Amino acid sequence: KNEVEQSPQNLTAQEGEFITINCSYSVGISALHWLQQHPGGGIVSLFMLSSGKKKHGRLIATINIQEKHSSLHITASHPRDSAVYICAVQNTGTASKLTFGTGTRLQVTL
Amino acid sequence: NAGVTQTPKFRILKIGQSMTLQCTQDMNHNYMYWYRQDPGMGLKLIYYSVGAGITDKGEVPNGYNVSRSTTEDFPLRLELAAPSQTSVYFCASRYTALGDEQFFGPGTRLTVL
Repeated sequence: KNEVEQSPQNLTAQEGEFITINCSYSVGISALHWLQQHPGGGIVSLFMLSSGKKKHGRLIATINIQEKHSSLHITASHPRDSAVYICAVQNTGTASKLTFGTGTRLQVTL
Repeated sequence: NAGVTQTPKFRILKIGQSMTLQCTQDMNHNYMYWYRQDPGMGLKLIYYSVGAGITDKGEVPNGYNVSRSTTEDFPLRLELAAPSQTSVYFCASRYTALGDEQFFGPGTRLTVL
């Protein structure tokens, strides 16, 4: 079993829909990251959180440390949100290395 | 700031050849990382560095070497390239280990034939 599991693997939505991507992990962590990988391959950091909830524009990330689970929500989805969304957990060691999920491929259609 | 830059963007190598993937960051970040991304797999850590002169192995270090002589640069060396090293390579950096996001370079797509 992978340390970081994401679901679903693929997701197709219509413009305007509310989207949820889930991430479960099995190890102790110091933080969890959500990343976005554009179709061209570039990776950008969306959120880093260790408790509660963070919001940036139409994106909301939540984490439940006790349940070892995080969700990424996109409200009022748009075709430009089409990308791969990657969950990564940060270990508690000195270098705070990341372990990555395999990503959720999101396609938002008109 | 240019952020994290990587060169080259694309490269085709023959089996047994060697090459260096360059990574530079201009954000004065202490921590730097090299990852590889294979289709259908999560990014895997190859090597990392917590500061100039200090490097350590990640999950998949075999066939690679790194050095960190300056804060800015963290080159990745492939010796005796093999088809299994065909992948997309990302360099990343962050200022501190605990409280900061990672910034990623644009990636290098390497094919070994």
